[in-house]
Amino acid sequence: DGGITQSPKYLFRKEGQNVTLSCEQNLNHDAMYWYRQDPGQGLRLIYYSQIVNDFQKGDIAEGYSVSREKKESFPLTVTSAQKNPTAFYLCASNWGRDITDPSTDTQYFGPGTRLTVL
Amino acid sequence: GQQLNQSPQSMFIQEGEDVSMNCTSSSIFNTWLWYKQDPGEGPVLLIALYKAGELTSNGRLTAQFGITRKDSFLNISASIPSDVGIYFCAGQLSNDYKLSFGAGTTVTVRA
Repeated sequence: DGGITQSPKYLFRKEGQNVTLSCEQNLNHDAMYWYRQDPGQGLRLIYYSQIVNDFQKGDIAEGYSVSREKKESFPLTVTSAQKNPTAFYLCASNWGRDITDPSTDTQYFGPGTRLTVL
Repeated sequence: GQQLNQSPQSMFIQEGEDVSMNCTSSSIFNTWLWYKQDPGEGPVLLIALYKAGELTSNGRLTAQFGITRKDSFLNISASIPSDVGIYFCAGQLSNDYKLSFGAGTTVTVRA
């Protein structure tokens, strides 16, 4: 089955600890994205990567870090510097920008990880 | 990305009714996407629109890409209990890698 997997489904962290969320895709997509979702709000972009070994900050990158060492993997680390980390985290992927084919813009989402800071 | 204006914020509907929701923006978009999210799950793509004026159906769902390229609507016909969930619109600007999202429309169906 092709798709995006995120693990774990639920994660609990003590204040002051770093924690890493996993995102893997076997769709052969070039681009991957991390979003944060809070109740009653739209999705906010944390980081994105258009290609292996390259990534850019999104709208709310402070307190987060990422790596993109492999095409299929884009882990997100929530550091102790993130002031309010409790949220639902979503990973997404697509083919990456091709201006001749707008269908490459369509992003597909994983099932999400709910992080709770105790 | 910029926030899209999605309305209504929530709706309670009778089973069998038709439902309509829309998204508007002050900017011109190249792509409009509609997703449905169940509680505790990731959004699932319902319909993707790539051309101004495009009208696309997926079963009981119909969505249109506005002629001005600044808006889109989603219709659900003959609603059923499994239509419950949060529906999000998303749009992509021509010069941006990022999607902009609406805040979502929460649909609750009365049996």
